[in-house]
Amino acid sequence: DGGITQSPKYLFRKEGQNVTLSCEQNLNHDAMYWYRQDPGQGLRLIYYSQIVNDFQKGDIAEGYSVSREKKESFPLTVTSAQKNPTAFYLCASSIRDTYSYEQYFGPGTRLTVT
Amino acid sequence: AQSVTQLDSQVPVFEEAPVELRCNYSSSVSVYLFWYVQYPNQGLQLLLKYLSGSTLVESINGFEAEFNKSQTSFHLRKPSVHISDTAEYFCAVSDLSGGYNKLIFGAGTRLAVHP
Repeated sequence: DGGITQSPKYLFRKEGQNVTLSCEQNLNHDAMYWYRQDPGQGLRLIYYSQIVNDFQKGDIAEGYSVSREKKESFPLTVTSAQKNPTAFYLCASSIRDTYSYEQYFGPGTRLTVT
Repeated sequence: AQSVTQLDSQVPVFEEAPVELRCNYSSSVSVYLFWYVQYPNQGLQLLLKYLSGSTLVESINGFEAEFNKSQTSFHLRKPSVHISDTAEYFCAVSDLSGGYNKLIFGAGTRLAVHP
């Protein structure tokens, strides 16, 4: 089955620790995205990548970092600089980076930092 | 920049009743519009989309949405809801200003279908 895998589904960390969220897709999509979801705020774009070894900041990139070494993989690191990291994180991909193509979403990772 | 307003944060409705979830977007230029559905603790699934052509678009499970350019709206409707439609629904619009496939999402509407 083609799709997007995010792991783990639930993640708990202590404040001050960096944590990396995994996102893998086997849809052969070029573009990949990371969103953050908070209750009542919809989804906000953290980072996106159009091709391997290239990525751009979204609207709320501060305190996050990404890499895109392979087409299938787009891991997100939540660093200790992120002031409020507890949230639901969603990874998405699309066929290519044009406006008419919908984005496909993974199941999400719920991160709790205490 | 584009923005999306979903006018109702929660919509309670009884099973088999009709429902309308409202969505307004900010731009009057050409847009692509989407409705996504999210079940608890899951990712988003595309429900339907408007790209061009007929202003009325339908999903396979009975939802429909109508693109109204003059009112900059893309309201989602279903004539008879089921318990299984209970979920959160997000309206999204493509933002053409950034040079890439950027989606702007509304805050979501939580649909609660009661027996």
